[in-house]
This record gives sequence, C-alpha cells and structure tokens, in this order.
Amino acid sequence: GNSVTQMEGPVTLSEEAFLTINCTYTATGYPSLFWYVQYPGEGLQLLLKATKADDKGSNKGFEATYRKETTSFHLEKGSVQVSDSAVYFCALNSGNTPLVFGKGTRLSVIA
Amino acid sequence: DADVTQTPRNRITKTGKRIMLECSQTKGHDRMYWYRQDPGLGLRLIYYSFDVKDINKGEISDGYSVSRQAQAKFSLSLESAIPNQTALYFCATSDRRSLYNEQFFGPGTRLTVL
Repeated sequence: GNSVTQMEGPVTLSEEAFLTINCTYTATGYPSLFWYVQYPGEGLQLLLKATKADDKGSNKGFEATYRKETTSFHLEKGSVQVSDSAVYFCALNSGNTPLVFGKGTRLSVIA
Repeated sequence: DADVTQTPRNRITKTGKRIMLECSQTKGHDRMYWYRQDPGLGLRLIYYSFDVKDINKGEISDGYSVSRQAQAKFSLSLESAIPNQTALYFCATSDRRSLYNEQFFGPGTRLTVL
C-alpha cells in the first residue's frame, strides 16, 4: 500500500537558516504529492503540491520537487522566519484515494 | 468564505460515554473525511465518504461510527469512549472535480476521555 516516511523532528533552526525536511514515499502508480502545514492550534493547510515527475511545487518561499527516481519530495526553504514555526506533513494520494500522511516534523525557528 | 467547521472544539468526557463530533462545510465538496492526530503518529484515517450514500472504513475505524446526514454534514460518533481515544480529531473535504483530490481541513476537535 501507499506510505510516506518523513524525517523525525523536532528541527530547531535560527532565523534565516536553510531548511530541508526529507520525505520519501512508497506508492503504486503515479501518486500526487503534497506538503501540508499545521500552525499551533490550527488545522492543516495545503502548502504546496506536485502531481507528476519533475514537477516543482512552491508557495511562501517553500519548494519541493517530485523525484520519481528517488521516490522523494523534500521540502526546502532558503531563509526561514520565526513565523514558519509549525508542524509540516508530507502526504500522497493515488487517483481518488484519501491522503496518506507522514508522521509530521515539528519546526521551531528562533530569533 | 467557504469553510469547514467542527463542533465542539474541545470536549472532555468520561469512559463509557457516547460522544458525537460534528463537521459541516460550505465548500460544496462531495467528499468528506475524519482523521485523528496523535503525537508522533501523524494523521490516521478513520472513515471517509465520497457522497451521501457512500461510507468507507479507514485505517482505524474500530470503536467509531459515522453518519453522512447531507452533502454538507458528516458526523463521527464514539459509542463508548475509552481513554486511548483521547486525540485531536480533524474533518476534511475534497471535490471530486479536482484533478488531484487535495483535501481541506477543519480546525479540529480536541477530545479528552477520562
């Protein structure tokens, strides 16, 4: 079945540092890949998505590239801010199936 | 704004009580989902519904039931709550017309079972 593995947290960075959160997946067929973000006390919000190999999703300075050869979808940001502190979830679906989520990575950015 | 709402936002109950969590949406989506979130475990799917007459079990449906009363409403029930059902519960929706079936989440219900 489909599954997502993402790096364990928590991750603590200083403001303006470079961020990478690793995500790899196992899926049948050609899944769509997503990153969701959960700010404290809130629900999940879609951050970005990519739907085929070599697609790059981007939003709010975050980027992730769909790498079929390595079955990966790593999240990156060049310069994090305190306001980026949140929990980040990698997820996938195949066709009409519900999303399957990774366990989440908590990011704390300190000034 | 089109939205996904959940009631209640917080609930404390006792072991053995029946609890209902409600979800409503004004997005006009036909698909609805219930997940639970536990620290270190991410989100796990409890039940989902692709339209009013469709109900499907997810990964962790034991101890839960659902009702899809209308396209816009999807309720989750715990018939006899137990302490390990203490968690954060999220409702989500998606649109069958979307090519990629991305899901939109409510704000969550924090449930504590004593």
